[in-house]
Amino acid sequence: DQQVKQNSPSLSVQEGRISILNCDYTNSMFDYFLWYKKYPAEGPTFLISISSIKDKNEDGRFTVFLNKSAKHLSLHIVPSQPGDSAVYFCAASLIQGAQKLVFGQGTRLTINP
Amino acid sequence: DAGITQSPRHKVTETGTPVTLRCHQTENHRYMYWYRQDPGHGLRLIHYSYGVKDTDKGEVSDGYSVSRSKTEDFLLTLESATSSQTSVYFCAISESRGYGYTFGSGTRLTVV
Repeated sequence: DQQVKQNSPSLSVQEGRISILNCDYTNSMFDYFLWYKKYPAEGPTFLISISSIKDKNEDGRFTVFLNKSAKHLSLHIVPSQPGDSAVYFCAASLIQGAQKLVFGQGTRLTINP
Repeated sequence: DAGITQSPRHKVTETGTPVTLRCHQTENHRYMYWYRQDPGHGLRLIHYSYGVKDTDKGEVSDGYSVSRSKTEDFLLTLESATSSQTSVYFCAISESRGYGYTFGSGTRLTVV
């Protein structure tokens, strides 16, 4: 049972425009959400996170929005740059000591010049 | 760069042979994890450790075992490799909640 879902396997956006990546989750016990970015042949790198007590967190060009009632979060990238082309994973953390993360399937973002 | 290294980076092995992947960290982080990445599945947790000799299973632990005899090393063993274990394996470390994981560069394992 996939508790964290990214329903769009791929997304293509024009350079300079906004990229919006979406993520849905089913487990209301998740208390922390994160986005990771992955380039080919590298490990994922942490991008931005948000606690379940907040609805928005911003870091430079990256903003994450959380809608708990809809069990939905999104990552906005503005403006999109060619270096943003990568696979993005959404992840959620359960209220447990080991901070186990549950990941979505990933969305491949391509920024076109 | 965070001090986490995985070895080997690439491995091809035959069905039925044992394989051990190594994760080494120099950050003295308490938590260590093994994930596998497969198309359409994202990253799935195999096993994790919350201290020396303290390990637990993840969602896809069948066919895998782990050991952590020192803080810095977390080993993943495939007792008898099968083709379904062909994957990219990532090790991750974390200090505590709220900081996210730091991942290694991955090991690409092919079982033929």
